[in-house]
Amino acid sequence: SQQGEEDPQALSIQEGENATMNCSYKTSINNLQWYRQNSGRGLVHLILIRSNEREKHSGRLRVTLDTSKKSSSLLITASRAADTASYFCATVRGADGLTFGKGTHLIIQP
Amino acid sequence: NAGVTQTPKFQVLKTGQSMTLQCAQDMNHNSMYWYRQDPGMGLRLIYYSASEGTTDKGEVPNGYNVSRLNKREFSLRLESAAPSQTSVYFCASSGSVVSGNTIYFGEGSWLTVV
Repeated sequence: SQQGEEDPQALSIQEGENATMNCSYKTSINNLQWYRQNSGRGLVHLILIRSNEREKHSGRLRVTLDTSKKSSSLLITASRAADTASYFCATVRGADGLTFGKGTHLIIQP
Repeated sequence: NAGVTQTPKFQVLKTGQSMTLQCAQDMNHNSMYWYRQDPGMGLRLIYYSASEGTTDKGEVPNGYNVSRLNKREFSLRLESAAPSQTSVYFCASSGSVVSGNTIYFGEGSWLTVV
């Protein structure tokens, strides 16, 4: 079963606005990662946050992690049309790789 | 540096036919994975291989077999394809994810079983 669940399932905003996606998970984690998938392509890693970190930045991306609430959020600032994609959170529990949520489909309106 | 390469890109099978999806990585990763992606279901792990010579079942292994041929290659076989196996299949590889390594994905294989 999926460990992570993203919210909302779909999000449509205007170019230049900020986009926020949330992820909730069920069990304790080692680290949490966010991935992006353009239509018809494979997933690409965006950012990783470890269980002992609370916030991390990478360019226009900001990720937060609240282990007490078992939740994470991904903020994309100053969105661009090229940010249109599906975004997945993924959690690590052990050696069997990552468990992915169902994703948030983000549409940036020009 | 090709990363993760999987073939074929597209395949149409008849129910009951067999086929093998091939995957190779050139990043010297120990771990390799096969996921399937269905609309509204996200990615689900079929099988994984934590090191050469080992394979383990993931979340949805029924109807599939895998072979870790060597460190570079990890194949997925459908012995008797069923319409329920119509999906997009992704191969991936990584170093130790527990240590914070990320997973690298291939571009996907679109499989239709009619």
